[in-house]
Amino acid sequence: EVQLLESGGGLVQPGGSLRLSCAASGFIFSDYAMSWVRQAPGKGLEWVSGISGSGVNTYYADSVKGRFAISRDNSKNTLYLQTNSLRVEDTAVYSCAKDLDGIVGPTGTFDIWGHGTMVIVSS
Amino acid sequence: QSALTQPRSVSGSPGQSVTISCTGTNSDLSASDYVSWYQQHPGKAPKLMIYDVSKWPSGVPDRFSGSKSGNTASLTISGLQAEDEADYYCCSYTGGNSFVVFGGGTKLTVL
Repeated sequence: EVQLLESGGGLVQPGGSLRLSCAASGFIFSDYAMSWVRQAPGKGLEWVSGISGSGVNTYYADSVKGRFAISRDNSKNTLYLQTNSLRVEDTAVYSCAKDLDGIVGPTGTFDIWGHGTMVIVSS
Repeated sequence: QSALTQPRSVSGSPGQSVTISCTGTNSDLSASDYVSWYQQHPGKAPKLMIYDVSKWPSGVPDRFSGSKSGNTASLTISGLQAEDEADYYCCSYTGGNSFVVFGGGTKLTVL
């Protein structure tokens, strides 16, 4: 079964850091670009960051550029998102998503989603 | 503010058809072949319903159809069913600095 399982969320103070993980199974992980998408409580979806299948190319939304870093370990079938300098407005459920057939980078076509991990930034 | 504009809500009765629009702020949609639509029920992960403007993923009924004209994409749901009540998001790859953008979402109510 194709599956994505996120972990690493929690409560953090403004300015703090968290490392999110996404464990993939059921498909050849390195063959697909992956992305992180977040959803603030009661709000819509926001693409945060994407990475190529090889991990060489990374992409970021302007709202997180310079603060977040995406990476992947294809030997462990795991995607990561290092979140630094967190702000209250970063509070959201963070989900990882598999690109349907893009390998160089995200296309916005996400056929598999995890259920997400909650990040709460509050003092 | 989303780069893609959707109506906040639409509604229809069972058996009817509804169309949800998605308009780009620049020429991003008109230049992109990567337009997708997602359905999200409360507390659930989004589900891919349409990709590459008008293609169906496996398992999605053909009651759902997608199209694009100029800088506006549309999702049409025909033969509305109660289980279609959900939030719907359009999404596009725009390249440039934004890469991937979502619309603000549309809440579909089946009356």
